[in-house]
Order: sequence, then structure tokens, then C-alpha cells
Amino acid sequence: DAKTTQPTSMDCAEGRAANLPCNHSTISGNEYVYWYRQIHSQGPQYIIHGLKNNETNEMASLIITEDRKSSTLILPHATLRDTAVYYCIVPHNDYKLSFGAGTTVTVRA
Amino acid sequence: DTAVSQTPKYLVTQMGNDKSIKCEQNLGHDTMYWYKQDSKKFLKIMFSYNNKELIINETVPNRFSPKSPDKAHLNLHINSLELGDSAVYFCASSRGATSGANVLTFGAGSRLTVL
Repeated sequence: DAKTTQPTSMDCAEGRAANLPCNHSTISGNEYVYWYRQIHSQGPQYIIHGLKNNETNEMASLIITEDRKSSTLILPHATLRDTAVYYCIVPHNDYKLSFGAGTTVTVRA
Repeated sequence: DTAVSQTPKYLVTQMGNDKSIKCEQNLGHDTMYWYKQDSKKFLKIMFSYNNKELIINETVPNRFSPKSPDKAHLNLHINSLELGDSAVYFCASSRGATSGANVLTFGAGSRLTVL
């Protein structure tokens, strides 16, 4: 997989936007960027993915830089239920998603 | 109606026993996966089946044998269980990457404890 680098942890205030950065400087032209999260004791949950354009869905927005070497996941209004480990993944093989250490996000009241 | 369901949710067993974990998906997906999450919390892919054919087989002891009777089911059988097999095992499914991105839907996990 293209190596991704994420901060180990970050805190966010409830109701504020959470901006989660990810570096993927070795990404190839046809590789997607995927974001998943894992809430404690649950299975991983898909959030969003993108190739070149910015993307938005009901959960989050994904901003990909023009050179595609980094991206930012935005949770627009973080809630306590958004506390989880967030994974940024860029797989060489779309069937083989590898999860790194991710970013532990703690949303505080 | 759970999309990807695994049974059992918890399994406690003795070393040396043989056990199975079952997975079923009702999403109509063609591809299914088994992942292992150990005590250090890293998720590692073990196997993947596409239309009942094995397409990913990571470096997993041959005591682990996946079986896919049909596209909707992928079971994991483990022989001669060892202490190091204690982990949470996640099943997942996806449509596959034939039309672009491949998005996985995960089950809730099966926690295996080997004593």
C-alpha cells in the first residue's frame, strides 16, 4: 500500500469541525484514498473515499490536494459519538485494504 | 436486518481445540474477507474470496482454513488453536473493484479467547 502518515491522536470540541490530516506522498494516479473509522469494540465503518476531486457525503467531507499527496477528512460538527480511531488508507490493491495505526480522535464535551 | 453478520460474537475455548466462525452477508456482494485484530489493535487482512474463489491469502498459518459455500457466506475454521490466536476476527464484504472504488462493509466482530 502507499504509505500513509497520520497524527497519532487529536482532540476536538463537541460541535466544532474536526480536521483530520493524512499524508500519502507516494500515491499513484489511479489509487483511491479511503477513510474508515472504528468506534471502540465495533467493526470498522466506511466513511468516504476519493480519487482526485473533493467529496462530501452525510458523514464527512474529503479534501484532496491538487498533487494528491495529502488529504483532509472533515467532520463538520463533531459529536461525542464520533470518538473513534480514524484510518486513512491508500491501497495498491483495491481488494487488500491495510489498516495502520490511524488517528485516535477524542471528542470532548 | 444486519448486513454482515458473524457468529458467534464471543468464543472461549481451550488450546488445541478446533473452532469455526461463520459469516453471512445479505448485501448481494461478490467479495468477502476475514481480518484479524490482535491485542495491539492492528487490523490485518487474512483472506479474501471473490465469487467463491480465493483471491487473497496472506501469510496465515495453514491451521486457518476459510470456506465459502456460496457468495453470501465465508466461514473461518481454525484447527489446533493456540494462545496467539486470541483476537477479534472481523468479516467484511464488498462489491469488488470492477467499477472503481472497493468499499468494504464490516461485521461486528467475533472475539476469540484461547485459554
